[in-house]
Amino acid sequence: DGGITQSPKYLFRKEGQNVTLSCEQNLNHDAMYWYRQDPGQGLRLIYYSQIVNDFQKGDIAEGYSVSREKKESFPLTVTSAQKNPTAFYLCASSTPGGSNQPQHFGDGTRLSIL
Amino acid sequence: GEDVEQSLFLSVREGDSSVINCTYTDSSSTYLYWYKQEPGAGLQLLTYIFSNMDMKQDQRLTVLLNKKDKHLSLRIADTQTGDSAIYFCAETATSGTYKYIFGTGTRLKVLA
Repeated sequence: DGGITQSPKYLFRKEGQNVTLSCEQNLNHDAMYWYRQDPGQGLRLIYYSQIVNDFQKGDIAEGYSVSREKKESFPLTVTSAQKNPTAFYLCASSTPGGSNQPQHFGDGTRLSIL
Repeated sequence: GEDVEQSLFLSVREGDSSVINCTYTDSSSTYLYWYKQEPGAGLQLLTYIFSNMDMKQDQRLTVLLNKKDKHLSLRIADTQTGDSAIYFCAETATSGTYKYIFGTGTRLKVLA
């Protein structure tokens, strides 16, 4: 079955450490997205990519970095510059056609600080 | 600016209908979406409505769109305990981009 796989499900970060969250999709979608979800808040867009080797900053990109070397993969690195990284991170993908295509989501990664 | 608003909580009794409301600001949105999030999980697409429609029905779900008031609602008929979750509405952002704007989510609690 096609879908989006995020790993790990839970991740712990030490102070000053960079961590990378994995997102893989086998839906043949061109566009991929990373969101951050905090309790009682909606989803905030971190980065998105419309095509391989291209990505754009979302609303809260500071302290995060991404790469898009393959169509199937869009890893997110939470750097030590992100001072409040504790949150639930969601990856999504969609077909071409701009924002009129539904986004499909993975099951998320919960990141906590040790 | 672009903003999507929802009430935070809704509590209903099992078997009753639930109505979750959403207001949005971008009148150029072509599609509006409803997603469901169960605890510790990602978002599951429930349904969506094209902006030239007033209503869409899909089994127990009915979506109503009032473009004049920029108001969207999701009605769940015969609400079950398995419907307890957070429900997000989302609008497409400025035409030509891939961005969605999500509401804050409404936590639905179904009482047995």
